[in-house]
Amino acid sequence: ETGVTQSPTHLIKTRGQQVTLRCSSQSGHNTVSWYQQALGQGPQFIFQYYREEENGRGNFPPRFSGLQFPNYSSELNVNALELDDSALYLCASSLGGLAGVGETQYFGPGTRLLVL
Amino acid sequence: DQQVKQNSPSLSVQEGRISILNCDYTNSMFDYFLWYKKYPAEGPTFLISISSIKDKNEDGRFTVFLNKSAKHLSLHIVPSQPGDSAVYFCAASVASGTYKYIFGTGTRLKVLA
Repeated sequence: ETGVTQSPTHLIKTRGQQVTLRCSSQSGHNTVSWYQQALGQGPQFIFQYYREEENGRGNFPPRFSGLQFPNYSSELNVNALELDDSALYLCASSLGGLAGVGETQYFGPGTRLLVL
Repeated sequence: DQQVKQNSPSLSVQEGRISILNCDYTNSMFDYFLWYKKYPAEGPTFLISISSIKDKNEDGRFTVFLNKSAKHLSLHIVPSQPGDSAVYFCAASVASGTYKYIFGTGTRLKVLA
């Protein structure tokens, strides 16, 4: 039991629509990271937030955006959905703020998004 | 450019025997490595990690070995149990700045009873 929750568990959208996925981090964890996992692949880093500020971004276009709130919740927003956005979206929380020390990220169960 | 590679997509092992899962990386800046286990319809579950200052870390039935000169790490599970059947991902990160993980593509382990 990691304490990281995500909603919804499944979602079906059509191309061109917008979607918001939600994550609730473990209490006390200041860092949240979002990953996209396509079928048969490992998770790919989208971006990370530390204390409500973006702290790094992977190779994803600007239509992928995020927010982190003071209550340890966060959102991933995707605009102008494309068929290739169909994937499992994972959030992961970690303590954060420990520069130079390897951090363990704890993952939620994911939201499976299907774009038709 | 696949910085973290798991070249075996699947592995079958008899219950009670050793399972060895392998992972190779190319970026010499990586200094923190982890293994995650993933069941269908669940998120990855943290198993074990290792810092680059060590070459071995044990936790119960799980041991991770790191060979920095070869840029190779492995996960040993002894003894293997049917409940260990899952997809295993290795991940690597740099312990500064953005703690993003770079994942391999996973190895599906099947432990046969």
